Amino acid sequence: DTEVTQTPKHLVMGMTNKKSLKCEQHMGHRAMYWYKQKAKKPPELMFVYSYEKLSINESVPSRFSPECPNSSLLNLHLHALQPEDSALYLCASSQTVGRGGPTGELFFGEGSRLTVL
Amino acid sequence: GQQLNQSPQSMFIQEGEDVSMNCTSSSIFNTWLWYKQDPGEGPVLLIALYKAGELTSNGRLTAQFGITRKDSFLNISASIPSDVGIYFCAGRERGTYNTDKLIFGTGTRLQVFP
Repeated sequence: DTEVTQTPKHLVMGMTNKKSLKCEQHMGHRAMYWYKQKAKKPPELMFVYSYEKLSINESVPSRFSPECPNSSLLNLHLHALQPEDSALYLCASSQTVGRGGPTGELFFGEGSRLTVL
Repeated sequence: GQQLNQSPQSMFIQEGEDVSMNCTSSSIFNTWLWYKQDPGEGPVLLIALYKAGELTSNGRLTAQFGITRKDSFLNISASIPSDVGIYFCAGRERGTYNTDKLIFGTGTRLQVFP
């Protein structure tokens, strides 16, 4: 069983809705990530948080808004999404080393499958 | 951005056969990882490699970090039906402080027939 828990597992929303995806880990990891994965494609990095601070934003549209309330939780707020945003959204966490840079060993949750109508 | 090319794209093999897949990059990585993803699930870490030339095993799986640091391979020996899935390589791209990124390869889809 994965130690990264994502909710909900499935979400259907309209283009005018506001919803949130949630992620929780209790491994003491201080780096957390959001990835987006379309069918038959590799995961694509969206955001990285390190020590609760946003360290990487891969030019993601502002209709996706990440939030890291504490070291165990990561949220992704969704607003005014488009049908092409339908995908599997994966949360991951990893340890950090040295001055805070994350290690490469990411542990993924099972994902939240999002459908935008 | 970085591109990791994985080959083959897909494999159809018989149970008991050995499998080999590889991943190449145009740039150097300081960490290589191999993940397996089942349908509807998140990727699961199989093997992590940290040094050029390193050869690491995990049960029937063996992976190597290429000497040039631009490639890696994964071997699966004596395949079984539960090996079915998509295998992704991933390379850790060195950035500035706090900005290391994990870049995924294009994936190898493995199908095992009894």
